[in-house]
Amino acid sequence: EPEVTQTPSHQVTQMGQEVILRCVPISNHLYFYWYRQILGQKVEFLVSFYNNEISEKSEIFDDQFSVERPDGSNFTLKIRSTKLEDSAMYFCASREQGAVHTQYFGPGTRLTVL
Amino acid sequence: QQPVQSPQAVILREGEDAVINCSSSKALYSVHWYRQKHGEAPVFLMILLKGGEQKGHEKISASFNEKKQQSSLYLTASQLSYSGTYFCGTDYQGAQKLVFGQGTRLTINP
Repeated sequence: EPEVTQTPSHQVTQMGQEVILRCVPISNHLYFYWYRQILGQKVEFLVSFYNNEISEKSEIFDDQFSVERPDGSNFTLKIRSTKLEDSAMYFCASREQGAVHTQYFGPGTRLTVL
Repeated sequence: QQPVQSPQAVILREGEDAVINCSSSKALYSVHWYRQKHGEAPVFLMILLKGGEQKGHEKISASFNEKKQQSSLYLTASQLSYSGTYFCGTDYQGAQKLVFGQGTRLTINP
């Protein structure tokens, strides 16, 4: 069964450093998302991406964040200058085109900012 | 705008039933239920569309009450594997982001 994959599974970085989190969505999916989950808390929406552009972003997704689909398979989240409070689990999700479809989540990348 | 889930936590013995509610103050387009085990990604359970639809998946089913803007998840004859945190994700516009509730932690004891 097709699944969303994410790399790395765990990323440790120093405050102020840039990180890039990578995702490979399910191949026929056209909508892509990033969510994050701070330990013990709920899942929070960051950004949605369709047709090579951001369709919606949350207040969390400030100028330090960016997303890109550099090729036909990868979808990346970049954090330019990480802060301690960026430490969280970051999930990528994707879904098919259509009015209502399941969002399938990847296994996540645990980001630890020291 | 965040949906409110209740209860926050439930502890059951294997074989008992549970109901988890997800309420919104804003009109819902759809509700998506996920289960998350510790350290893992949320796993999709089912989608409910507005219209009072009820769906089932083995011993897990859900309903959507459009009048109350509430969805309920029903777990019957619970199994140990049902343990985890259940999140409802609400879609207000159709086809875009999900806004998740704070989660309901379900513990099933033998």
